[in-house]
Amino acid sequence: AQSVTQLDSQVPVFEEAPVELRCNYSSSVSVYLFWYVQYPNQGLQLLLKYLSGSTLVESINGFEAEFNKSQTSFHLRKPSVHISDTAEYFCAVRAGTSYGKLTFGQGTILTVHP
Amino acid sequence: DAGITQSPRYKITETGRQVTLMCHQTWSHSYMFWYRQDLGHGLRLIYYSAAADITDKGEVPDGYVVSRSKTENFPLTLESATRSQTSVYFCASTAGLVNEQFFGPGTRLTVL
Repeated sequence: AQSVTQLDSQVPVFEEAPVELRCNYSSSVSVYLFWYVQYPNQGLQLLLKYLSGSTLVESINGFEAEFNKSQTSFHLRKPSVHISDTAEYFCAVRAGTSYGKLTFGQGTILTVHP
Repeated sequence: DAGITQSPRYKITETGRQVTLMCHQTWSHSYMFWYRQDLGHGLRLIYYSAAADITDKGEVPDGYVVSRSKTENFPLTLESATRSQTSVYFCASTAGLVNEQFFGPGTRLTVL
């Protein structure tokens, strides 16, 4: 079975500051890793994913995440956040052997202050 | 409209009543999922389906029933609602095992 731990439940930052949202996972098999974002009163949207290849993956809106197999981590970073990045972020893992089932972390609420 | 839709968006019911939450997707995705979202727990998988007439339990299936007679629909039924089933329910679908899951807008269910 897989598990995901998001180490911070809330992260407050000021606009234009850098941010890191931490995610650690455990699995006995190979995994695929995802970050989803949820804006208030909306469903989840895929932010970025790691399936294979380069361990650094990027989103179109400036977020990036790096797959670190030795540390079993997939931390999400952005060098300069905007007010519009305020949302809840979920890290998720899928085992290579599963029916596409995702295991989610508890979520991190990112609040960007002006 | 293309995409994945859920109905109703909001529902208030009473303990012991049967409630059905609907999920419909227009992509003909094979895989569909039901999650519940609760504070401090993230999203937890209730049931999933790999194709029409193929369903299986997820992490928290007790008290729920699903069916999938058509590829595009995946209703979730609470046979006898309990207060602990107050939650936000999300339906999702994906075309294949390496594809992303697309989520519906959610149904906020309150059981009094």
